[in-house]
Amino acid sequence: EPEVTQTPSHQVTQMGQEVILRCVPISNHLYFYWYRQILGQKVEFLVSFYNNEISEKSEIFDDQFSVERPDGSNFTLKIRSTKLEDSAMYFCASSEQRIVQPQHFGDGTRLSIL
Amino acid sequence: SQQGEEDPQALSIQEGENATMNCSYKTSINNLQWYRQNSGRGLVHLILIRSNEREKHSGRLRVTLDTSKKSSSLLITASRAADTASYFCATDNAGNMLTFGGGTRLMVKP
Repeated sequence: EPEVTQTPSHQVTQMGQEVILRCVPISNHLYFYWYRQILGQKVEFLVSFYNNEISEKSEIFDDQFSVERPDGSNFTLKIRSTKLEDSAMYFCASSEQRIVQPQHFGDGTRLSIL
Repeated sequence: SQQGEEDPQALSIQEGENATMNCSYKTSINNLQWYRQNSGRGLVHLILIRSNEREKHSGRLRVTLDTSKKSSSLLITASRAADTASYFCATDNAGNMLTFGGGTRLMVKP
């Protein structure tokens, strides 16, 4: 069964550094998402992406965050200047359509900011 | 406001017993989805129920939705040790985002 793959599985970064998290969505999916889960807290929506532009974003997704689909397969989340509170699991997801469709999640990248 | 609150937060049962988890939400929805998360892994989609549906089955899973009460329940019948995981409801208001609850941690003892 097709899977969403994320790399790296664990990223350790110094505060203030830029970090790029990578995702390969399922190949025939058109909608892409990033979520995060701070340890012990709920999974929170960050951003959705379709047709090479952001469809929707949450309050968390401020100017420090950006997303990109640099080629036909990858989908990336960039955090420009990381803060301690950015430490979390970051999940990428994709879906075939926007509405009434399950989202398929990767196993996540654990981001640790020192 | 908190959307998608699961109850109970933790549930421990014996193998073979049924497990029931509940979810409440506050705003109108297009559909509600249940996901499972094993420790250290991603979320796995279990079942989606549309706002005009009242009940849905998938294998040992049964989901109900009561839009008048803004609540849903997930029943796992004849539980197995492998069902041990966290279970989350997520609401979809026909936008692009899922809003997750805090989850129920289910432990099934062999």
